[in-house]
Amino acid sequence: GAVVSQHPSWVICKSGTSVKIECRSLDFQATTMFWYRQFPKQSLMLMATSNEGSKATYEQGVEKDKFLINHASLTLSTLTVTSAHPEDSSFYICSAKKGGNYGYTFGSGTRLTVV
Amino acid sequence: AQRVTQPEKLLSVFKGAPVELKCNYSYSGSPELFWYVQYSRQRLQLLLRHISRESIKGFTADLNKGETSFHLKKPFAQEEDSAMYYCALQTGANNLFFGTGTRLTVIP
Repeated sequence: GAVVSQHPSWVICKSGTSVKIECRSLDFQATTMFWYRQFPKQSLMLMATSNEGSKATYEQGVEKDKFLINHASLTLSTLTVTSAHPEDSSFYICSAKKGGNYGYTFGSGTRLTVV
Repeated sequence: AQRVTQPEKLLSVFKGAPVELKCNYSYSGSPELFWYVQYSRQRLQLLLRHISRESIKGFTADLNKGETSFHLKKPFAQEEDSAMYYCALQTGANNLFFGTGTRLTVIP
């Protein structure tokens, strides 16, 4: 199979603090992982493409200094929301593509609430 | 720029009735299109992709380049089909862009 594990499932943090979200491919290696953000009742928006061993590629309008992405190994990508503010509260989802006929596999998402 | 449009946010059908979830896209390159489904309290998962031309759980979708559409269809809806459905477009950069989703409710 192709399983992607995302942790934590939910997190509440104080305004001004940083939060790290992990995305792991459990049974395959992923040179590329993707990070999405979903606002209530809106679509999944691609934030950035995480590339193993190199810098992430950010979509237009996404602050790279605020949303730090690290893809240090073939099975782990992390998204750190730095100096979080209430407007960063959202649902964050990662995905990876195993290749072949598997298509994209998604993590279960992380609900971030900044208070 | 690429865009995926799902005009219906909500769709309700009776069990056994046909269902069609609409998806239109805009992309200058050669599109690769997908349908993803998210059941209640579960993660997003792939339902089908246009290049495989397969039928999953009775659903089919045909890519119509002339109308730039990729509508999802099923002849007889089942209660377990109730879920959130997302149409997605993959660009040459391997990025996935999603529509806003359609919540399908199948009424018993």
